[in-house]
Amino acid sequence: EPEVTQTPSHQVTQMGQEVILRCVPISNHLYFYWYRQILGQKVEFLVSFYNNEISEKSEIFDDQFSVERPDGSNFTLKIRSTKLEDSAMYFCASTPPGGAQPQHFGDGTRLSIL
Amino acid sequence: DQQVKQNSPSLSVQEGRISILNCDYTNSMFDYFLWYKKYPAEGPTFLISISSIKDKNEDGRFTVFLNKSAKHLSLHIVPSQPGDSAVYFCAAKSQGGGNKLTFGTGTQLKVEL
Repeated sequence: EPEVTQTPSHQVTQMGQEVILRCVPISNHLYFYWYRQILGQKVEFLVSFYNNEISEKSEIFDDQFSVERPDGSNFTLKIRSTKLEDSAMYFCASTPPGGAQPQHFGDGTRLSIL
Repeated sequence: DQQVKQNSPSLSVQEGRISILNCDYTNSMFDYFLWYKKYPAEGPTFLISISSIKDKNEDGRFTVFLNKSAKHLSLHIVPSQPGDSAVYFCAAKSQGGGNKLTFGTGTQLKVEL
């Protein structure tokens, strides 16, 4: 069964550094998402992406965050200058075209900011 | 922001019995609801969904019930198996609100032998 894959599984970064989290969505999917889950809290929506542009973003997704689909298969989340509070699990998800469809999630990247 | 609530952080059930996981929501614009299962160190795995035009959807051992007037949905697992032990998340999508999902806090299900 096709899967959403995310790399790396764990990223440790110094505060203030830039970090890029990578995702390969399922190949025929057209909608892409990033969510995060801070330890002990609920899964929170960050951003959705369709047709090479952001379609929706949350209040969390400020100017420090950006997303890109650089080559037709990868979907990346960049955090420009990381803060301690960015430490979380980051999940990528994708959905196929058409109607109400479930989002399929990757296994996440654990981001630890030191 | 407590638009989707799962009031039971944990549930323990014997193997072979029914597991009932509950979810309440406050946003009347939600029109599509999903249940995900999550094991440690893995991402959420889609289980079953229901549109707001239905009140029941069944897939094998999993059945989701939606009570729109009460803004309540539940997931029934029959019979429960030890492999069902995981965290279960309820999620909802808003009509006209794009495709973003709003998640509940999850319920840890433990199925005991």
